[in-house]
Amino acid sequence: AQKITQTQPGMFVQEKEAVTLDCTYDTSDPSYGLFWYKQPSSGEMIFLIYQGSYDQQNATEGRYSLNFQKARKSANLVISASQLGDSAMYFCAMRVLNSGYSTLTFGKGTMLLVSP
Amino acid sequence: GAVVSQHPSWVICKSGTSVKIECRSLDFQATTMFWYRQFPKQSLMLMATSNEGSKATYEQGVEKDKFLINHASLTLSTLTVTSAHPEDSSFYICSAPLAGGRSSYEQYFGPGTRLTVT
Repeated sequence: AQKITQTQPGMFVQEKEAVTLDCTYDTSDPSYGLFWYKQPSSGEMIFLIYQGSYDQQNATEGRYSLNFQKARKSANLVISASQLGDSAMYFCAMRVLNSGYSTLTFGKGTMLLVSP
Repeated sequence: GAVVSQHPSWVICKSGTSVKIECRSLDFQATTMFWYRQFPKQSLMLMATSNEGSKATYEQGVEKDKFLINHASLTLSTLTVTSAHPEDSSFYICSAPLAGGRSSYEQYFGPGTRLTVT
């Protein structure tokens, strides 16, 4: 079974500063994918970034980067130059990749508030 | 990119009635769709996996007779909450994976349906 742990219920950051959202995971499967999703108050789940377990380099997507430390089983999300529109709930998730369309396992989420 | 729609976006119903929520993949075919439930300030919890042409697979603790899932076509899955009660009030989200390329590992989420049972 897979498990995702997000230990930060809430985070505050000032506009234009960088922020790191923590995520640790646990799985016995060697082939897996790690995801970060943003959920604004509207409820929609917005895909931000993906990291495969065999990827050698950390994933980056614009202002988002994933700090992947495989030995520590951590996949922290780094948001650079925070914007007011980044205020939302952020979920870390994972799924096993070797079994077809396996489902995502989500962490409990971190609420990010960006202040002016 | 791939789009998944849900209808309705919100619904209010009386206790004891049934509510049907539709999940459609608009520009791709989805043999598998997932249904999640999210209570306020909580994470998404998988309820069931919807399989086109076969029975849905339910997660432990989810009543299959209460949450009826029908995946009748490659673009449509429906979730019917039967005899709804106030404790069924929640945000229901569907997702569908898209085969091929980068999207092979990505799931596309619908916008969600907020159900309130009075």
